[in-house]
This record gives sequence, structure tokens and C-alpha cells, in this order.
Amino acid sequence: SQQGEEDPQALSIQEGENATMNCSYKTSINNLQWYRQNSGRGLVHLILIRSNEREKHSGRLRVTLDTSKKSSSLLITASRAADTASYFCATPNSGYSTLTFGKGTMLLVSP
Amino acid sequence: DTAVSQTPKYLVTQMGNDKSIKCEQNLGHDTMYWYKQDSKKFLKIMFSYNNKELIINETVPNRFSPKSPDKAHLNLHINSLELGDSAVYFCASSLRTGANTGELFFGEGSRLTVL
Repeated sequence: SQQGEEDPQALSIQEGENATMNCSYKTSINNLQWYRQNSGRGLVHLILIRSNEREKHSGRLRVTLDTSKKSSSLLITASRAADTASYFCATPNSGYSTLTFGKGTMLLVSP
Repeated sequence: DTAVSQTPKYLVTQMGNDKSIKCEQNLGHDTMYWYKQDSKKFLKIMFSYNNKELIINETVPNRFSPKSPDKAHLNLHINSLELGDSAVYFCASSLRTGANTGELFFGEGSRLTVL
């Protein structure tokens, strides 16, 4: 069953602007991950945040996690055209045997 | 060196045919997965194998049969293909399963079109 839901479904911005994507999930988790998928390609892992962490940074990426609200956000700062892709959040399934993915946010960054 | 490789990348076939997709990982991971991505980009887990043993079978029709000859390979065989099987199938692997399942490494996908 689907666990994460991303919001918005689509986001269109200009280069240099920041992009924020949100993810809500339903059950208790021990970690939450974000992935990027370029058109026609496989998913690539971006960042993992554990349930005892509130914020994590990686380059231009900033992820927050609020376990009380069961939500996470991904912020991409100073976006570039190359950031154009779909972004998915993923959480462990109830048996912790795999990851369940949300429907994704499609980000378009225009030059 | 491609970490997770799957073949073929594209597959076009007629309804009723049988086809296979192969997947290999050279990362030394214990766990491998098959995911199906539909036209709306929704990713759904199909199967998971840990060290050649099936651990997840998510209500997939039994026309789909995974086979893991060793922990580096997880193939997907599909019998009697139907129009609704058209999708992109992704193979993935992770170091381990369970509560410490970390990052998944994905292949580039196999786009199956059933006519």
C-alpha cells in the first residue's frame, strides 16, 4: 500500500530559485529517503534522514523531518536546469522489508 | 561499471506472449527487488529477494515469476502478457533488508509495451 504522498504534484520555477517539495506518510518509520528520477532513467538516491534527526543537508539539498506530523520536506536551493526531474520520497513498509514510494513531484527548472 | 544492470531496456511484444527481463548487480548486496512504474510514475513493489530467498510477493498475478539463481541476479519472467502489463519495470538492490534497509540502487528500467 502507498505510504508517502508528495506535494505538489508538479512545480515549475526559474533557475536560481528555490524549490520545496513536501512528503506526508502514514505509519511510524525509522528513516525517510528522497530519490530523483530523470526522464527515462532509474531512480537515484539523494539523501536519507533518520527518525531521530530533524534536518539534514547535502550540498544544495536540505531535508527536514517532523515525525509528530509525519511529514518531510526537500528544499533544493539555487536550482539549475539540470535539477529538472521527478522527486520521490520513500519510507520503509510496515514489515521494514522494502521501501514504499510516493507518487512524486515533477520539478521543471527553466533557464 | 554499471552497479545494477537490467536487460532489455525496451521490449515490445504481443498480448499472450511470454517474456523475461534480466537483472544483475555487482555491488555485493544481499537484497534485490522488482518494482513496477505505471504511466503516472507510481512505483509499486512487486517482489523482494534476500540472498536468493523470496521475502515479498505483493499480490502480483502468478503470471509473474521471479527467479534468483544467485544473490547477484534476479530475473523476472512474465507469462501470457496482457495490455495492463505495459509499464517500466525497475530492478533495485540494497545492502540488506529489514529495519536497516538503507539506500536502494536502481537499474535504468525496462520499458515493456504490450500490443
